[in-house]
Amino acid sequence: EAAVTQSPRNKVAVTGGKVTLSCNQTNNHNNMYWYRQDTGHGLRLIHYSYGAGSTEKGDIPDGYKASRPSQENFSLILELATPSQTSVYFCASGDAKGDEQYFGPGTRLTVL
Amino acid sequence: TQTVSQSDAHVTVFEGDSVELRCNYSYGGSIYLSWYIQHHGHGLQFLLKYYSGNPVVQGVNGFEAEFSKSDSSFHLRKASVHWSDSAVYFCAVRMSNYNVLYFGSGTKLTVEP
Repeated sequence: EAAVTQSPRNKVAVTGGKVTLSCNQTNNHNNMYWYRQDTGHGLRLIHYSYGAGSTEKGDIPDGYKASRPSQENFSLILELATPSQTSVYFCASGDAKGDEQYFGPGTRLTVL
Repeated sequence: TQTVSQSDAHVTVFEGDSVELRCNYSYGGSIYLSWYIQHHGHGLQFLLKYYSGNPVVQGVNGFEAEFSKSDSSFHLRKASVHWSDSAVYFCAVRMSNYNVLYFGSGTKLTVEP
């Protein structure tokens, strides 16, 4: 049973549109993370959360918002999508220290 | 600031060969190191981590990594690779007071039959 799920798995959006990527975890982890993966850059941290109600900026937060309404759910929101946000997005949940993270299958987002 | 460097973007070996994937870091304080594997089209999976003590740590599927403070390295090794080990491998570091990981750019391992 997959412990971290993401929806949608694929998304095509138009420039200027709003996009919401959803993540759900059943690991009961306090920490959750959103990354984007682009060729040549590895994984880059966008936002993370220490628990319900908390969100923190990662290394590349510009153009993104995050929401953590519950222990299980962590959303990434692109209010005004741009083509530069075309990427693969991964959600992860992590143990207390953050070394062991459990990743979702990813969402491929294309912004036209 | 800290950096994680994986100097080899691609490594190709034959099944049964040994392999070493290199990871170097630059940070002066206490850090914790880990390796992750990503099969094509999937998310990352945790392989192993180092906190302290024995510098050689064992992971799943025969992988091990060795920490060297003098070389600022945490190389991943496997004595005999299988075709199913073909994947991208990421090294990651965490500073002691933060719960976030910083990933290297990854090394794509291809195991030829």
